[in-house]
Amino acid sequence: NAGVTQTPKFQVLKTGQSMTLQCAQDMNHEYMSWYRQDPGMGLRLIHYSVGAGITDQGEVPNGYNVSRSTTEDFPLRLLSAAPSQTSVYFCASSYSGVAGSEQYFGPGTRLTVT
Amino acid sequence: QQPVQSPQAVILREGEDAVINCSSSKALYSVHWYRQKHGEAPVFLMILLKGGEQKGHDKISASFNEKKQQSSLYLTASQLSYSGTYFCGTDNTGANSKLTFGKGITLSVRP
Repeated sequence: NAGVTQTPKFQVLKTGQSMTLQCAQDMNHEYMSWYRQDPGMGLRLIHYSVGAGITDQGEVPNGYNVSRSTTEDFPLRLLSAAPSQTSVYFCASSYSGVAGSEQYFGPGTRLTVT
Repeated sequence: QQPVQSPQAVILREGEDAVINCSSSKALYSVHWYRQKHGEAPVFLMILLKGGEQKGHDKISASFNEKKQQSSLYLTASQLSYSGTYFCGTDNTGANSKLTFGKGITLSVRP
C-alpha cells in the first residue's frame, strides 16, 4: 500500500493564481481531511469528508474548495491564491470518523504564494 | 477552541522521563496524540476515548481526565528517537468528525 499520497511536494504560485493540491489514499478509508500547518500554529482543519459525495468545512475554509467524487481522492482547490495561504498542507485519512481511528497523514505540500 | 499544551518545550537527556499535557476548555470525547519530526508528516501515537479505552503505542502511556478535561502523555526512559514536536488533537463535540489540534510541544532528547 502506498498509504496517503500528495502531489505536488512543492509549489510556488503568484497572487491570484488558482491550483489544485491532489490527495489520494489506497486504504479504502471513509474519512479524509485537509490541514494547513503554519509555524507556531499547529494543524488547522480546512475541510473534511466523511465519505464520497459528503464534505464539510473545518475551522479555516475560506479561499479553499473541496469535492469527493470517489473514496480514494480528495483534492483541495485554491481559488485565487493569496500570500496568507503560504503554508504546508497535509492531507489525512482514517478508517472512520476521528474519534476511534488513527489518522494517516500524507507527506505534505509546501506552498509559497508570492 | 484550540487545546492548550504545556510546557512549551522540553529538553531531556537520554533515559530521562517527561510528561506533556493537553488541556481543553470544553468537554472531551477523545484525545489524540501525534509526533512530528522536522520536515515530516505527523505520526500517530495514541487515542484516548471517553470511558477509558486507549489505543496506541506500546512504549508510551497517557492518561485522560474527563472531569478536568485534560490529557497527559508520559514518555519514560526517553530515547533519541523521541525528539520531535508533539501535538494533541481533541474531539469536543462527540460528532466523530473533527479534531482540533494544539500548537505543539517541542521535545529534544540529547545523548
